[in-house]
Amino acid sequence: NAGVTQTPKFRVLKTGQSMTLLCAQDMNHEYMYWYRQDPGMGLRLIHYSVGEGTTAKGEVPDGYNVSRLKKQNFLLGLESAAPSQTSVYFCASSYRSAGGYEQYFGPGTRLTVT
Amino acid sequence: GQSLEQPSEVTAVEGAIVQINCTYQTSGFYGLSWYQQHDGGAPTFLSYNALDGLEETGRFSSFLSRSDSYGYLLLQELQMKDSASYFCAVRPNAGNNRKLIWGLGTSLAVNP
Repeated sequence: NAGVTQTPKFRVLKTGQSMTLLCAQDMNHEYMYWYRQDPGMGLRLIHYSVGEGTTAKGEVPDGYNVSRLKKQNFLLGLESAAPSQTSVYFCASSYRSAGGYEQYFGPGTRLTVT
Repeated sequence: GQSLEQPSEVTAVEGAIVQINCTYQTSGFYGLSWYQQHDGGAPTFLSYNALDGLEETGRFSSFLSRSDSYGYLLLQELQMKDSASYFCAVRPNAGNNRKLIWGLGTSLAVNP
């Protein structure tokens, strides 16, 4: 099993450009999440999904959109990139079950907006 | 509100024992989780405490006391490879409980 994969691993954008970050998981997890991580800020939830066809906003959703058309994929879109969106983006997934909702993370995408 | 507090940095020497604390202010939650993240890497799950008490997994142990709103991660026989950031997280049992509430992380430096 590949677990959680993310593409691309690195990307540099100019202000105003758009892009889509791809996340895929092969563990049949119901829940998927997009986080951003900035120095000293920990992990901040952007959007999440509790199942195919559903999405919901997290703490910092502005400037991002998501889609979950297939259970195994969760896409994060930046319509008009801004320097404030320079960050490391992590995708995660978890089982739909009681307990700790252990989250499995992808390797991250390092995005720089100039 | 709901928040988790951890020390920002902890330093220890190889072979020693270190305790990373997590205090929380939340109305209720299912349990306390711990994650490890090495520089440049992704967070990985370490442990989960659903009940009060100590959970042991090899050199790592995690403790929860709901009455004291407190938990900790204990790392024994420290190794250089334990240098990483450690995050505590809880899943609230009220409202939208599909999300985790995360602490800001503790950076552990293990010196020779």
